[in-house]
Amino acid sequence: ILNVEQSPQSLHVQEGDSTNFTCSFPSSNFYALHWYRWETAKSPEALFVMTLNGDEKKKGRISATLNTKEGYSYLYIKGSQPEDSATYLCAFGGATNKLIFGTGTLLAVQP
Amino acid sequence: DAGVTQSPTHLIKTRGQQVTLRCSPKSGHDTVSWYQQALGQGPQFIFQYYEEEERQRGNFPDRFSGHQFPNYSSELNVNALLLGDSALYLCASSTVPGQGWEGYGSPLHFGNGTRLTVT
Repeated sequence: ILNVEQSPQSLHVQEGDSTNFTCSFPSSNFYALHWYRWETAKSPEALFVMTLNGDEKKKGRISATLNTKEGYSYLYIKGSQPEDSATYLCAFGGATNKLIFGTGTLLAVQP
Repeated sequence: DAGVTQSPTHLIKTRGQQVTLRCSPKSGHDTVSWYQQALGQGPQFIFQYYEEEERQRGNFPDRFSGHQFPNYSSELNVNALLLGDSALYLCASSTVPGQGWEGYGSPLHFGNGTRLTVT
């Protein structure tokens, strides 16, 4: 059974804090790692798709890194804002030809 | 540019009934995937349709079936509903089916989901 784990499960930070969370996935048969942001009452929105070991992607204040050899990806948010409050999902694409999602990290940013 | 649309938004059914959920993909997308998100879990892959055929399937029983139409829209049907089928059902579209790594290089575009409650 392929497992994709995200930690922490939830996170409460103050506006302006920088934060990061982790996605762990199988280190074999890796094809891609996706990150999605899911705000309440909206649909999940793609942030990054990473395919190469050592990939680093950035979108505004949000960035992500990828280590396929050890099976983890970090998502960083610099200077969190209340509008960053959302659930952040990662999804692993491997040999099963199905994207396997983690359970997400719920981020709450207090103004 | 219309995104992924799903209908209905909410649905309440009783055990044993059948339900049909609908999805229209983002303009220009030809592949539709369905996911079930139960409380406290991440989205679980149900199946994927491309060229009107089921191309991939997750670990869901045959009570879950689907269809894709020539205009790329899709339906998810669930027969003999169980209480455990209560969940948010998400539809996602993309341009490349999940056959090998090429399928993973494209992000999924999700709809807002259909909340199914089985009583």
